Amino acid sequence: QVQLRQSGPGLVRPSQTLSLTCAISGDSVSSNSVVWNWVRQSPSRGLEWLGRTYYRSKWFYDYAGSLRGRITFYPDTSKNQFSLQLNSVTPEDTALYFCTRADGGWYMDYWGQGTLVTVSS
Amino acid sequence: DIVVTQSPDSLAVSLGERATITCKSSQSVLYKSDNRNYLAWYQQKPGQPPRLLIYWASIRESGVPDRFSGSGSGTDFTFTISSLQAEDVAVYYCQQYYITPYIFGQGTRLEIK
Repeated sequence: QVQLRQSGPGLVRPSQTLSLTCAISGDSVSSNSVVWNWVRQSPSRGLEWLGRTYYRSKWFYDYAGSLRGRITFYPDTSKNQFSLQLNSVTPEDTALYFCTRADGGWYMDYWGQGTLVTVSS
Repeated sequence: DIVVTQSPDSLAVSLGERATITCKSSQSVLYKSDNRNYLAWYQQKPGQPPRLLIYWASIRESGVPDRFSGSGSGTDFTFTISSLQAEDVAVYYCQQYYITPYIFGQGTRLEIK
């Protein structure tokens, strides 16, 4: 049974960096048959896909255009986890953040528990 | 980017009655080379992450009751609960995974009438 367990701070100051980690059990971050995503949810934006990372003999990264330049994913094979970093946050980045697994790289069949991140001074 | 629009935004249905939600994509999500529609449906209850119910537009995820079904092709899709149960109160989302950025519909809130 795949489980995704998220960790990270719930409060980030404006202009600082948001960092979240998703620890994987029951699967491998470097699996050749899945893709790992970050999704966030807010009342104003609904469910918003942030990007994905996956391993196919090398690591690939694909980020939402609206965040490109601010967002980076870091897979860590030694800890079997992947992390999100979002730089220069503003209050508009306040949201519930989820990590997900996409089977075959398609539909999201497993989700982390969610982390509410508030950007505020 | 593909635009995904659900309707209605909210829906109230009596217990045991049928609930139907539609999802429209601004471009086709049918990949002709494999004849699959790259569309999923999710259920989200308060305080929980979304749960995958349907993928490839009509395939039920393991463990999902058969009162849940999906249909449609190309740009127009339907999600149906054949006989509403109290535990089905939730927000339902469709999502296209045909092309990035993956886009979710705005959600449909389903309540008991």
